[in-house]
Amino acid sequence: KQEVTQIPAALSVPEGENLVLNCSFTDSAIYNLQWFRQDPGKGLTSLLLIQSSQREQTSGRLNASLDKSSGRSTLYIAASQPGDSATYLCAVHSSNTGKLIFGQGTTLQVKP
Amino acid sequence: DGGITQSPKYLFRKEGQNVTLSCEQNLNHDAMYWYRQDPGQGLRLIYYSQIVNDFQKGDIAEGYSVSREKKESFPLTVTSAQKNPTAFYLCASSMGQVGYTFGSGTRLTVV
Repeated sequence: KQEVTQIPAALSVPEGENLVLNCSFTDSAIYNLQWFRQDPGKGLTSLLLIQSSQREQTSGRLNASLDKSSGRSTLYIAASQPGDSATYLCAVHSSNTGKLIFGQGTTLQVKP
Repeated sequence: DGGITQSPKYLFRKEGQNVTLSCEQNLNHDAMYWYRQDPGQGLRLIYYSQIVNDFQKGDIAEGYSVSREKKESFPLTVTSAQKNPTAFYLCASSMGQVGYTFGSGTRLTVV
């Protein structure tokens, strides 16, 4: 059974720091991995999608990597800003079940 | 702009009452999904539909029902059989392996 774990559960950093959020998954049989952002009381906004054949994707200050063999992905946020404060969710699209499996999320606070 | 529209944003249910949450998409996606989000439990799949007039139970389907009569629409009914319906409900859609798109959610509260 696919399980997705995100570490840390919460993170507080001063503005301007570079930071890394971690995601691990137990089954390498995936179509892709997707990183989402969720603001309190809001829906999910897709940040980056990495197909299983890709190693990384970049969008602005965000960079996500994927190492399928070790079951790991990282989301790198450069020069963090208070507006980056949110919960970040990692999800893998399982090729065995066809379902999207979510981690519990990392709640990020960036202090001015 | 293409996207997913969920309504209403807030919904209140009395004991023993059925309520229906709306989800509409204009992305021309084949597949649609309903998730439930509770604090500390992450997102759990309720129902999904890969094609019109077909749908499958997810991990927590008891007390819920759905229909998929049109490609654009996937309403979720929370029945009186669902004993703990207070939660945040999210609808999503996808096409192939291009990733999932989510709506803005409906917060359901039992009063």
